[in-house]
Amino acid sequence: KNEVEQSPQNLTAQEGEFITINCSYSVGISALHWLQQHPGGGIVSLFMLSSGKKKHGRLIATINIQEKHSSLHITASHPRDSAVYICAVAGWGSARQLTFGSGTQLTVLP
Amino acid sequence: DGGITQSPKYLFRKEGQNVTLSCEQNLNHDAMYWYRQDPGQGLRLIYYSQIVNDFQKGDIAEGYSVSREKKESFPLTVTSAQKNPTAFYLCASSSGQGVYRGGNEQFFGPGTRLTVL
Repeated sequence: KNEVEQSPQNLTAQEGEFITINCSYSVGISALHWLQQHPGGGIVSLFMLSSGKKKHGRLIATINIQEKHSSLHITASHPRDSAVYICAVAGWGSARQLTFGSGTQLTVLP
Repeated sequence: DGGITQSPKYLFRKEGQNVTLSCEQNLNHDAMYWYRQDPGQGLRLIYYSQIVNDFQKGDIAEGYSVSREKKESFPLTVTSAQKNPTAFYLCASSSGQGVYRGGNEQFFGPGTRLTVL
């Protein structure tokens, strides 16, 4: 079973700062997902990637398959970015289940 | 609007009672999932269904049951056998088609917070 570790667990930043959240996993995967969970509990999928880098607005996700590591970057952070960011990995096989990290609580102060 | 709905948002039950959580999607997705979220822990898979009339146990299925009689609906019953049912429950769906590698993007419902008194 894949072990997914995220760091840091909690992160407080000032508005405008560049933020990095890290995710590492123990077993080779077919893809990695970054999710965002707002205080109300709803979850939104941000990225799904299996190699390289993806960018959407101020969010950038990278993955290094050899090192079993991914990072989520937020440029020019804003208080509305405050949320829990969750990393999840997909193994190989037909069931397509995900294994989730415990999340990173991000608070961006104005 | 396409999406996933869960009801109710908050649910209170007495210990020993069964309770059913609703999950409906109009995304025409084949696969549906139920997750449990506890403070400080990652989401854990309870049950999943890849197609109508078929479902499989996840990592923590004990004390739960599901049905998948319609493509749009995947209700979860929390039975009295579940020892610690108080948690946040999330339903998700994915297309389950095409991409074998990496799975597919999952779309999540707003969740139901269950408290057992």
